[in-house]
Amino acid sequence: GESVGLHLPTLSVQEGDNSIINCAYSNSASDYFIWYKQESGKGPQFIIDIRSNMDKRQGQRVTVLLNKTVKHLSLQIAATQPGDSAVYFCAEISMNTGFQKLVFGTGTRLLVSP
Amino acid sequence: DSGVTQTPKHLITATGQRVTLRCSPRSGDLSVYWYQQSLDQGLQFLIQYYNGEERAKGNILERFSAQQFPDLHSELNLSSLELGDSALYFCASSALSDQGYTFGSGTRLTVV
Repeated sequence: GESVGLHLPTLSVQEGDNSIINCAYSNSASDYFIWYKQESGKGPQFIIDIRSNMDKRQGQRVTVLLNKTVKHLSLQIAATQPGDSAVYFCAEISMNTGFQKLVFGTGTRLLVSP
Repeated sequence: DSGVTQTPKHLITATGQRVTLRCSPRSGDLSVYWYQQSLDQGLQFLIQYYNGEERAKGNILERFSAQQFPDLHSELNLSSLELGDSALYFCASSALSDQGYTFGSGTRLTVV
């Protein structure tokens, strides 16, 4: 079946460090990927996305890398701040009878120490 | 405020009961999606509606049902509740041509 998984359940970093969160996906037909951030008690919040025709996309302090050969996705957060502490989900969109379907990975908890 | 409104925010009920969760999508969005998130778990897709019609089903139990009304708000009905149904239930919406989903703040259901 389809699945999007994460390698590490928890990542602990020091404030100011760069963080890298990894994700593996299994559906090679997926053409759109999204990273979401979920803070405690809140809904997932869009961070950055990337389409399958791209290898890299940069946002503000965040970069997403896509390696379609090995079906791997990563989120890099530069100069990590305590406010970045949250659970991060990768998600892939696949088409289901003409309509998009968003499939989430398990999530990685990022803990940022001051 | 994401623009997606979910009510109630918290719900505590007993086993065997039935509850209804409500979602108002972002203005202009025709698609509504329901997700279940158990403690420290990922989001499991339950069901999707588009302009009033069911479009996709995920891991939704037969005790659960949903609908989307003409004004595009959606309700998720959970019946014969069990302790294991305790979870966060999220609603998200998107426009047809918009590849992004916008999530609401969720309803925390506790079954005792």
